[in-house]
Amino acid sequence: AQSVTQPDIHITVSEGASLELRCNYSYGATPYLFWYVQSPGQGLQLLLKYFSGDTLVQGIKGFEAEFKRSQSSFNLRKPSVHWSDAAEYFCAVGSNDYKLSFGAGTTVTVRA
Amino acid sequence: NAGVTQTPKFQVLKTGQSMTLQCAQDMNHNSMYWYRQDPGMGLRLIYYSASEGTTDKGEVPNGYNVSRLNKREFSLRLESAAPSQTSVYFCAVGDSYSNQPQHFGDGTRLSIL
Repeated sequence: AQSVTQPDIHITVSEGASLELRCNYSYGATPYLFWYVQSPGQGLQLLLKYFSGDTLVQGIKGFEAEFKRSQSSFNLRKPSVHWSDAAEYFCAVGSNDYKLSFGAGTTVTVRA
Repeated sequence: NAGVTQTPKFQVLKTGQSMTLQCAQDMNHNSMYWYRQDPGMGLRLIYYSASEGTTDKGEVPNGYNVSRLNKREFSLRLESAAPSQTSVYFCAVGDSYSNQPQHFGDGTRLSIL
């Protein structure tokens, strides 16, 4: 069975500092991997996705993620955080079978 | 999110009442999904529809029914609401390449007393 672990429930980062959110997955084959962001009271917005090919994936809002098969990880990074990046972030794993498994989420707080 | 519209945005029900959550898309995507979001649990798939006229169970289908009447609309029905169904419900749509959700609605916040 597929599963996703986001080890950090909550991260606080200073504005302008770098951010890295961890995601570890369990999946039998080559997975599809996703990162979504959710602002309070809103739905989820897709930040980036990995299906195959280059293991470093660029997304929207200056985010990137790197797929590391040997570590079963797909960590999300941003070099310089803005106050508007405060939100909850979800990693998800699946294939092309409509059944995506989500992690429990990481809440990011940005301090001035 | 103009692409995926959910109604209502908020609802309070009594145990045993029924209601239907509506979802409509203007993105011309084939697949549609219903998720529930509970604190500390991420999102869990209730039902999905790969295309018009087809529906399948997800991870937590018990107590729910769905209907995909046309390509645009995918509804979720609670026949006899229970307090355990208090949650935030999200509809999503997905493209045909990945067969996974790409765009989400803003959610329906449902409380069952």
